[in-house]
Amino acid sequence: GQQVMQIPQYQHVQEGEDFTTYCNSSTTLSNIQWYKQRPGGHPVFLIQLVKSGEVKKQKRLTFQFGEAKKNSSLHITATQTTDVGTYFCAHPLGGNEKLTFGTGTRLTIIP
Amino acid sequence: KAGVTQTPRYLIKTRGQQVTLSCSPISGHRSVSWYQQTPGQGLQFLFEYFSETQRNKGNFPGRFSGRQFSNSRSEMNVSTLELGDSALYLCASSFRTGTPNYGYTFGSGTRLTVV
Repeated sequence: GQQVMQIPQYQHVQEGEDFTTYCNSSTTLSNIQWYKQRPGGHPVFLIQLVKSGEVKKQKRLTFQFGEAKKNSSLHITATQTTDVGTYFCAHPLGGNEKLTFGTGTRLTIIP
Repeated sequence: KAGVTQTPRYLIKTRGQQVTLSCSPISGHRSVSWYQQTPGQGLQFLFEYFSETQRNKGNFPGRFSGRQFSNSRSEMNVSTLELGDSALYLCASSFRTGTPNYGYTFGSGTRLTVV
């Protein structure tokens, strides 16, 4: 079945360094969403990408959807301690579009 | 406006017991989805209800069930609890079924521990 692999599983960066997480699918995705979950918290919606090659920015966060709509990335510039958490990609799966989540990338910041 | 409310926040149950979790979606939202989150399996879809009808179901045994009321509040029930059912159960609401372009709004979850 359709699977979305998210890498890396963990990422430790020094504060101020950049961070990138990737989602890769074996099949074309109609759209992809990104969520952030703080430690002890719940997932919070960040953004949705729909168009091939789409790039969206939210302050220090840059989201990309691949040209073939099979991969997506989230890049954070100059990480801050507030960026700590697990970042999930999610995509609709099945005829009724139930949202399926990737395995997540846990970001920790070294002050 | 108020967010998604899940009760209780924490629960400890014994193997073999059953448990009922509650979710009140954002006012006006008619779709409620349930997810199970564990360190090993991540976020897994349980089921979705829209206008009191189950629209989607994940790959969980029949011990997991749910329902939705006319006011869109939803409950999920797990019968004959097993140790492996220990998890964070998250409820997510949206205005319509399918994947809304504004994303799901999640509740804070119910942390279930089975001993």
